[in-house]
Amino acid sequence: DGGITQSPKYLFRKEGQNVTLSCEQNLNHDAMYWYRQDPGQGLRLIYYSQIVNDFQKGDIAEGYSVSREKKESFPLTVTSAQKNPTAFYLCASWGGRGLTGELFFGEGSRLTVL
Amino acid sequence: DAKTTQPNSMESNEEEPVHLPCNHSTISGTDYIHWYRQLPSQGPEYVIHGLTSNVNNRMASLAIAEDRKSSTLILHRATLRDAAVYYCIPHNTGNQFYFGTGTSLTVIP
Repeated sequence: DGGITQSPKYLFRKEGQNVTLSCEQNLNHDAMYWYRQDPGQGLRLIYYSQIVNDFQKGDIAEGYSVSREKKESFPLTVTSAQKNPTAFYLCASWGGRGLTGELFFGEGSRLTVL
Repeated sequence: DAKTTQPNSMESNEEEPVHLPCNHSTISGTDYIHWYRQLPSQGPEYVIHGLTSNVNNRMASLAIAEDRKSSTLILHRATLRDAAVYYCIPHNTGNQFYFGTGTSLTVIP
C-alpha cells in the first residue's frame, strides 16, 4: 500500500550528537514536509521541499538540516546546534496540483535527548 | 501567511452534532481551507477541504462563510472515535501548510 514510512519510531540521543530521521514515501508526491510537535502543542514547520534538490526553511529551521536527493526520500538531521531537540517529529507529503489534494503523514518519530 | 483562530477545547455528547469553528480573516482569495485531526501520538489525518462552497464527505461537512473569513467543521453525530485535536489550515499558493494549536474535542459518552 502507498504511504509514508518514518524511522526510527523512537530514538534516544546523547547531547552533542547529530541524529538523522528517515522519511520515505511511495506516493509519487512532489512535496514533502517536516514538522515538530512538543507536548500539548500544535505542529511547527521545520523544512519543506516542493521538488527534488530544492527545499525551504519553515518557521523553526535553526539546528536542523535536510536533503532531497530523491523524490521518495526527505531525511531530517537534528544537529547538535538544536538546543532542545526532544520532541515528536512528523513527516508529510503532498501530491496535489494547484491547491487541491491532501497532506499524508507518517506515524512520527519520537526523539529524546538524554 | 493567513493566521487562524480556533477555540482551545470543546465538548460534545456522543451521537450529537458538533460544530467546530475557525476564524481565518486574513485568508487570500485562492487559499483552500483544510481540516485535519490528530489522535494522541499519531500523525494528523485529513478530514475535508474546500474553497468557497460548502463541502460534504463521509467524515464531515465543511461550511464556509460567504466572506471566507471563517469556516465551521460539522461532525453530524459525534462518536468516541472523533475525540481528537482538530486543525484548520489555510493552504496557500506556496504549498505551505501551517498548523495552529487546534481545538481539542472531548466526546462525552
